[in-house]
Amino acid sequence: SQQGEEDPQALSIQEGENATMNCSYKTSINNLQWYRQNSGRGLVHLILIRSNEREKHSGRLRVTLDTSKKSSSLLITASRAADTASYFCATDSTDSWGKLQFGSGTQVVVTP
Amino acid sequence: NAGVTQTPKFQVLKTGQSMTLQCAQDMNHNSMYWYRQDPGMGLRLIYYSASEGTTDKGEVPNGYNVSRLNKREFSLRLESAAPSQTSVYFCASSVGGIHTEAFFGQGTRLTVV
Repeated sequence: SQQGEEDPQALSIQEGENATMNCSYKTSINNLQWYRQNSGRGLVHLILIRSNEREKHSGRLRVTLDTSKKSSSLLITASRAADTASYFCATDSTDSWGKLQFGSGTQVVVTP
Repeated sequence: NAGVTQTPKFQVLKTGQSMTLQCAQDMNHNSMYWYRQDPGMGLRLIYYSASEGTTDKGEVPNGYNVSRLNKREFSLRLESAAPSQTSVYFCASSVGGIHTEAFFGQGTRLTVV
């Protein structure tokens, strides 16, 4: 089974609204990363949060990490149509050093 | 810089045929990965290479072999393709170690009939 599971599987919002998606994982991690995938394209790295960090910001992105609950959230503020994509969390576990394992993704659609 | 380049972009194989997916990176990265992506399953790691000369199995290695030819290139071989291997395959690379991001190629869409 996969290390990370995203929730919800799909999200539909209007431009200007915030989008929040969650990721739960199973084992201890070195870090957790979020990636975006536009339809038919490769994944693009968005942000990395280390296991000793609780919150991180990058532009309109805000990521939180709760290692006690083994969960993370990605918030996209003031969404734009260009944010339409699938978003994946990926974990670098302490017991599989360097092997990034991905969740099943959240498909986000932002309508103008 | 080209980043991570995969060839081919599309391929149709008949059951039992073999083929090699090529991947090359020009970022002097140490680590390279092969993933497959199936609808609703996210990405699953097939094989991983931490550095030149080393390879390690991921979650779904059965039916695949890999070669880390040199620091730049990491190939994935299907010896006898099966319909269950129909998928989109992604190669990725990273500097290596912990706390490093992965850079992805554009993918190879493989159909086995």
